[in-house]
Amino acid sequence: GGIITQTPKFLIGQEGQKLTLKCQQNFNHDTMYWYRQDSGKGLRLIYYSITENDLQKGDLSEGYDASREKKSSFSLTVTSAQKNEMAVFLCASTHQDTQYFGPGTRLLVL
Amino acid sequence: SQWGEENLQALSIQEGEDVTMNCSYKTYTTVVQWYRQKSGKGPAQLILIRSNEREKRSGRLRATLDTSSQSSSLSITGTLATDTAVYFCATDDNAGAKLTFGGGTRLTVRP
Repeated sequence: GGIITQTPKFLIGQEGQKLTLKCQQNFNHDTMYWYRQDSGKGLRLIYYSITENDLQKGDLSEGYDASREKKSSFSLTVTSAQKNEMAVFLCASTHQDTQYFGPGTRLLVL
Repeated sequence: SQWGEENLQALSIQEGEDVTMNCSYKTYTTVVQWYRQKSGKGPAQLILIRSNEREKRSGRLRATLDTSSQSSSLSITGTLATDTAVYFCATDDNAGAKLTFGGGTRLTVRP
């Protein structure tokens, strides 16, 4: 089996700060995803990548950048953190219709 | 029903009871997937049902799909306290590259 690792687990930032979240997978899957989950809500797609160096915008891409440096890693950058923002960012990769998720990065902006 | 940016629905039941959660989706899909998310973890797939299937079973789980009404349900029989979680349905974009997740149902099973 494989695993998806997200770092950091918790991220506290300041308003206006640029923050980077990292995701690694050892499944050797082609497609990877970043989702945002707000408290009491579902998952919303921010970016996804079909292969190395590919980037596709999701429904919530404004305010974010992404980077797929290599097949196993997918990074997400919050370009300017919003005050009082609080959410969980979930990374996933996919194989044969099934998405495999990491444990998430919990973001709090003071 | 659950979708996208909607708030989580909440259900609270006693252990041993059966439960059914419903999901209505907005656009054509080739598959409906049900995921479970336990507290502090990422979602994990429970069951996948394709558009040419009406029902799929896996252990205590049963998923149904009605493409004419664009709705799906997930039933759990003989619930356990360990079934406590948030349950999401998800549909694909026909090209299969991405999923759209519903708003979710927070199920609490009381021991």
